[in-house]
Amino acid sequence: DGGITQSPKYLFRKEGQNVTLSCEQNLNHDAMYWYRQDPGQGLRLIYYSQIVNDFQKGDIAEGYSVSREKKESFPLTVTSAQKNPTAFYLCASTPGRDYSPLHFGNGTRLTVT
Amino acid sequence: LAKTTQPISMDSYEGQEVNITCSHNNIATNDYITWYQQFPSQGPRFIIQGYKTKVTNEVASLFIPADRKSSTLSLPRVSLSDTAVYYCLTMNRDDKIIFGKGTRLHILP
Repeated sequence: DGGITQSPKYLFRKEGQNVTLSCEQNLNHDAMYWYRQDPGQGLRLIYYSQIVNDFQKGDIAEGYSVSREKKESFPLTVTSAQKNPTAFYLCASTPGRDYSPLHFGNGTRLTVT
Repeated sequence: LAKTTQPISMDSYEGQEVNITCSHNNIATNDYITWYQQFPSQGPRFIIQGYKTKVTNEVASLFIPADRKSSTLSLPRVSLSDTAVYYCLTMNRDDKIIFGKGTRLHILP
């Protein structure tokens, strides 16, 4: 079955460490997105990529970095510069420049202590 | 900033029809209106999408007036499992996709 896989489901890190969240899709989608969700809040856009080797900052990109070297992969690195990294992180994809809805992964819950 | 405004929360009872209205006063000509459902600790799931008038699928209906400045998601005969957060978005082919805070729907027995 086609879909989006985020791993791991739960991740724990010490403050000051960088951590990379994985997002892989086998839907052959061009566009991929990363969102952050805090308890009781909506989704906030971190980064998005509409094509391989290109990506754009979202509304809250500070303290995060991404790469898009392959169509199926869009890893997100949470750096030590991110002041409040503990959150639920969601990856999504869509075919690209059309009106197709987003397909989401099941998320990674990151806890930094 | 989100381009839509929705009620923060709503309560309803099992078996009732639920209507959630979303305001999008600055919707662009090439924007579509899309609704998602999210359960706790899961990614949002697509419900329905439309451009104008009425769209219906197996789970919901979407009503869009002629001026397209608002839309209403209608869930017929809700059950306890419809308790979730519902997001309304306007989106086009070229823009980044922004979510608002959504509407927290609570279905009571």
